[in-house]
Amino acid sequence: DAKTTQPPSMDCAEGRAANLPCNHSTISGNEYVYWYRQIHSQGPQYIIHGLKNNETNEMASLIITEDRKSSTLILPHATLRDTAVYYCIVRALMDNYGQNFVFGPGTRLSVLP
Amino acid sequence: GAGVSQSPSNKVTEKGKDVELRCDPISGHTALYWYRQRLGQGLEFLIYFQGNSAPDKSGLPSDRFSAERTGESVSTLTIQRTQQEDSAVYLCASSRGVSNTEAFFGQGTRLTVV
Repeated sequence: DAKTTQPPSMDCAEGRAANLPCNHSTISGNEYVYWYRQIHSQGPQYIIHGLKNNETNEMASLIITEDRKSSTLILPHATLRDTAVYYCIVRALMDNYGQNFVFGPGTRLSVLP
Repeated sequence: GAGVSQSPSNKVTEKGKDVELRCDPISGHTALYWYRQRLGQGLEFLIYFQGNSAPDKSGLPSDRFSAERTGESVSTLTIQRTQQEDSAVYLCASSRGVSNTEAFFGQGTRLTVV
């Protein structure tokens, strides 16, 4: 079962920041938070991941609360092409291998013109 | 190529036939994952490889499903005696391995069992 909770859907106006929340209240110390998105009929696309510090890359920013029980993915200037299902995943590292990525239902983000 | 490659991109088969789906991971990626996604549904984990061994086969839905990987490269997912409920997109992903790395997905194989 997925260890995360996300709202099923969100809307965002084009050009505005999209803030997608994720709750992972049972996260363990060795679990990372990953974000992926899936645009219709395509394979999932990696966005960003982090452990406890905030992270930023060319696609997005990831803000993780100090207690690590929740996080927010921020798309700073959403475009119509950002319309997709966004998945928040927690994933641990085992001694000898990584765990698989467990996908929940995600948040369907609709960017509106 | 630079990304994960899956073939065929589309496969239509008759109920009861066997099918083989192929995944070519990114070169040098030691970890390989298979997922299934039914129409309108989320991703369902099937199996994970580290090198040529599969430490986690927990997601394979029945003994009709099997997968192998050779040369720490190509993987084949085989479905025997296909059923209509096997119709789905089968997605493959690869990653560098045990560290906190991301996985990259292919575009999937759309399997239709008629």
